[in-house]
Amino acid sequence: DAKTTQPNSMESNEEEPVHLPCNHSTISGTDYIHWYRQLPSQGPEYVIHGLTSNVNNRMASLAIAEDRKSSTLILHRATLRDAAVYYCIPLEYNTDKLIFGTGTRLQVFP
Amino acid sequence: DGGITQSPKYLFRKEGQNVTLSCEQNLNHDAMYWYRQDPGQGLRLIYYSQIVNDFQKGDIAEGYSVSREKKESFPLTVTSAQKNPTAFYLCASHRGANTGELFFGEGSRLTVL
Repeated sequence: DAKTTQPNSMESNEEEPVHLPCNHSTISGTDYIHWYRQLPSQGPEYVIHGLTSNVNNRMASLAIAEDRKSSTLILHRATLRDAAVYYCIPLEYNTDKLIFGTGTRLQVFP
Repeated sequence: DGGITQSPKYLFRKEGQNVTLSCEQNLNHDAMYWYRQDPGQGLRLIYYSQIVNDFQKGDIAEGYSVSREKKESFPLTVTSAQKNPTAFYLCASHRGANTGELFFGEGSRLTVL
């Protein structure tokens, strides 16, 4: 199983950009990198995923290192609603196995 | 609307009883998953299934059992062998083959008295 390393917690002020890092040095070449977040008292929700190229959607951007050993989730302007635990997860291509790590707890201050 | 339905939302059981949590999806997804979450902790994978009639153990399968007789259904049984069954259980699905996002149900909170 590919292992991930994320900081336990990060802080941001409202309206500022946030860069959430993830190390996945054991990822294989065909594993997609998924990001999910979990708001308090809710199930996780999808944020973004990618393979090699940087990806953008309405929620966030995903920057993937050229060697694919790390990635960064970028929230361009943090809001109070973005306070959540963010999980970086490699999706194993052949097995569809999805293992959640401990994630990063993001606090956003007004 | 397509989605994942988990039931019941809350469940209380006496120690030593088996309980079955339901998970149904109408998204035509191949892959389905069961996760357990304890207070203040992350999600841990119990079982997952890539296709009908096939499933694999996750990291904490002991004391749990599943079946996948139909594509849309993936029930989880918490047996009396599970030492600490009180937890929040989440079911999820996705299309499989490295495509798309994981969709989650709203969860089932099991309390064993």
